[in-house]
Amino acid sequence: DAKTTQPPSMDCAEGRAANLPCNHSTISGNEYVYWYRQIHSQGPQYIIHGLKNNETNEMASLIITEDRKSSTLILPHATLRDTAVYYCIVRGNNDMRFGAGTRLTVKP
Amino acid sequence: DTGVSQDPRHKITKRGQNVTFRCDPISEHNRLYWYRQTLGQGPEFLTYFQNEAQLEKSRLLSDRFSAERPKGSFSTLEIQRTEQGDSAMYLCASSLQQGMGGEKLFFGSGTQLSVL
Repeated sequence: DAKTTQPPSMDCAEGRAANLPCNHSTISGNEYVYWYRQIHSQGPQYIIHGLKNNETNEMASLIITEDRKSSTLILPHATLRDTAVYYCIVRGNNDMRFGAGTRLTVKP
Repeated sequence: DTGVSQDPRHKITKRGQNVTFRCDPISEHNRLYWYRQTLGQGPEFLTYFQNEAQLEKSRLLSDRFSAERPKGSFSTLEIQRTEQGDSAMYLCASSLQQGMGGEKLFFGSGTQLSVL
């Protein structure tokens, strides 16, 4: 599976959009981009995933570049409850492997 | 949908003892995963099942670790002769894999193991 690179930490003001970047320059054609988040003391929570097209659901939007080498997770109106570690994962047919993620802190 | 359930929530044991954790996946989910997570790190894959078949095991899974999923429903993870390095959060996840379209994993809250 392709590896991903994420910034270790980010801050965001409450009510603003949070844009979390992820680089996956070695991604293969059949590999999906997944985003999960983990709030302290809980298991990871699925957010969104995509293959080529941009995706949106009730939690977030996923923007994947045309060459698929990077993506951005967008939380349109961040709240204090969005403070968590966000994991970007690229996965094909193998297991889901997590990196260190980005610790997002939403500040009032 | 009652979510993925793990039991116990916390386990404290002495070095050398055996421990067993249980995971009840979401009903009808055909895949079940075990992960281990230490403080400040992302979850590390241990093993996964497709129905009752154990399809992949990480090199992290030493001979002291064994996992089962009888009848393709709940799963157990046993650690024999525990060591202090086994102290971690053990996470279970399940999914319904139906071919193309990606796969969403749903995680339980984990079992926190402390080996004294």
